[in-house]
Formats: sequence, structure tokens, C-alpha cells
Amino acid sequence: DQQVKQNSPSLSVQEGRISILNCDYTNSMFDYFLWYKKYPAEGPTFLISISSIKDKNEDGRFTVFLNKSAKHLSLHIVPSQPGDSAVYFCAASGGSNYKLTFGKGTLLTVNP
Amino acid sequence: NAGVMQNPRHLVRRRGQEARLRCSPMKGHSHVYWYRQLPEEGLKFMVYLQKENIIDESGMPKERFSAEFPKEGPSILRIQQVVRGDSAAYFCASSPPGWTNEKLFFGSGTQLSVL
Repeated sequence: DQQVKQNSPSLSVQEGRISILNCDYTNSMFDYFLWYKKYPAEGPTFLISISSIKDKNEDGRFTVFLNKSAKHLSLHIVPSQPGDSAVYFCAASGGSNYKLTFGKGTLLTVNP
Repeated sequence: NAGVMQNPRHLVRRRGQEARLRCSPMKGHSHVYWYRQLPEEGLKFMVYLQKENIIDESGMPKERFSAEFPKEGPSILRIQQVVRGDSAAYFCASSPPGWTNEKLFFGSGTQLSVL
């Protein structure tokens, strides 16, 4: 059973525009959500996170939105840059802070 | 500051051989976590270890897989009698004692290929 779903395997965006990556989850026990970015042949790098008590968290060009009633979160990147091209993983935890449940990832390509 | 170090970066094994993957945590970190990423999948939790103790191995396959984190030296993930389905990227993360933050910091991983 896939508790964290990223339904778009890939997304292509023009440089300077907004990138919106989506993530849905099914487990109501999840209370902390994270986005990781991964370049080829490297490990995932933490990007931004949000607690379930919030609905928005912002860090520079990156903003994560959480809609608990819809069990949906999204990552907005504005403006998108070619260096943002990578696979983005949504992850969630509930109870055990070290046991993250990851989605399958979305490959973002930002075209110059 | 050296991050989490994993070696080898790439490991090729024939079916039936043993694979040993090593993870050196960040300096001052005594907790290690192993995750596996199968092709076209997200990362999945395998095991959480502290020095000389296995804390949570709920994600480890029941057979052929074992992990240790000795008092001295790196953490080792050992896979005996590898099969093609073990081909995956294996990532390690570490944290200091008392860490309650979900923000795990991962190493670059070991890509295991089973022929």
C-alpha cells in the first residue's frame, strides 16, 4: 500500500516560472512532512518541511503548503532555475521521527 | 564538516555472493539509519541502529539481511546470498544522540547491482 503518492512522475517548467509539485497521503497518523531533492548519483538532500499544525512554510524560493482535510501537500518553487532540475521526493512521518515514508518522486526539469 | 560517508559507491555482485555496505556517520553522531531505494520506487526504511544496538529493524527483510554498528568503525549492512531483486540504491543517514528531528541527512548511497 502506497501511503505517500506523487502522481506526476515528471514535470517540465520554463526558467523563471513557478514549479508546483504535488503529494497526497493516506495515513491520518502522519504529522510531519518533508521534501527532499535528489540529483543523480547523490543522496537525497533535505529541502523544506512542515508540521501538521501549520498550513504553510516558506524558505526563500521554496514554499510548502499543507491541506490536512484533503491529505494533500504541495511544493512551490518560484522562480524556477535550471539548477532546480532534480527528482523531488515527498516524505512523511508519524510517531517515529526516523521512519520516513517516501513517495516515488517527481522528476523536475527546468528549461533555460 | 564531513557528511555521512558510504562506501563503496558502486558494488557489483553475482547471485549467491555476499554484499557488505559500509556507512560512517557524521562526526559526533551515534545513530544510523539505513534506507533502500528499489528501481522506480521511493526510499524505504530498513533499520535504525545505535552503537552496538539494533533499535528498530522492522523494515529489514526477514532473511539474508543483517546490520550492525559496532563500538568502533562504520555501520555495516550485510546481504548474504544476493539475488537480482536486491539490486537497489542503499542510503544511510545519521543523527546525534537525543535527535528528535525528522530531518534526516543522507549519504550518497551505494548502488548494488546483482548480475
